[in-house]
Amino acid sequence: QKEVEQNSGPLSVPEGAIASLNCTYSDRGSQSFFWYRQYSGKSPELIMFIYSNGDKEDGRFTAQLNKASQYVSLLIRDSQPSDSATYLCAINEDGGFKTIFGAGTRLFVKA
Amino acid sequence: GAVVSQHPSRVICKSGTSVKIECRSLDFQATTMFWYRQFPKQSLMLMATSNEGSKATYEQGVEKDKFLINHASLTLSTLTVTSAHPEDSSFYICSAELGTQYFGPGTRLLVL
Repeated sequence: QKEVEQNSGPLSVPEGAIASLNCTYSDRGSQSFFWYRQYSGKSPELIMFIYSNGDKEDGRFTAQLNKASQYVSLLIRDSQPSDSATYLCAINEDGGFKTIFGAGTRLFVKA
Repeated sequence: GAVVSQHPSRVICKSGTSVKIECRSLDFQATTMFWYRQFPKQSLMLMATSNEGSKATYEQGVEKDKFLINHASLTLSTLTVTSAHPEDSSFYICSAELGTQYFGPGTRLLVL
């Protein structure tokens, strides 16, 4: 049973701080890793993906992957109240099309 | 690019009726689409994988005769909730595969 684990939160950070969201996965064969953001009452939207060990930066977002530790994280710099949402971690096997989602971490950015 | 639409966005129906939800990939072709259900404050639950030109693959515990899926073209998959009951009230979300999954905006179903 492939699993993706996330702390459900809520994670509360003050505006302007760095929010750190973490995710662990059980399947060592996982090759692709994704972060989705889901606002309340809306469907998820893709914000980051990462395939290689290390860091990948896109604007205020940085995804970090450590395959040896089976760990992927998302850092949000200069957090804004508009970043308040549930963040879903997702993994995909190499060549597979079925994405496994974590249950999500609720982030609350206080103004 | 990679836009997925759903129709309707919201539907209210009487218990016992059937409801059809459409999922379309607008600017790409998708041989694989997925249907999820999400109850309030809960995570996404994969219901089934829809494959163009073949039968859908249902997750354990999902009744295939109740949730009929048709993927007749590379840009359209439909989910029909047959004989809907109040417990079927939920947020139904589809996604289409293009390297990763791109989600439609969701359909909120309320069964009275």
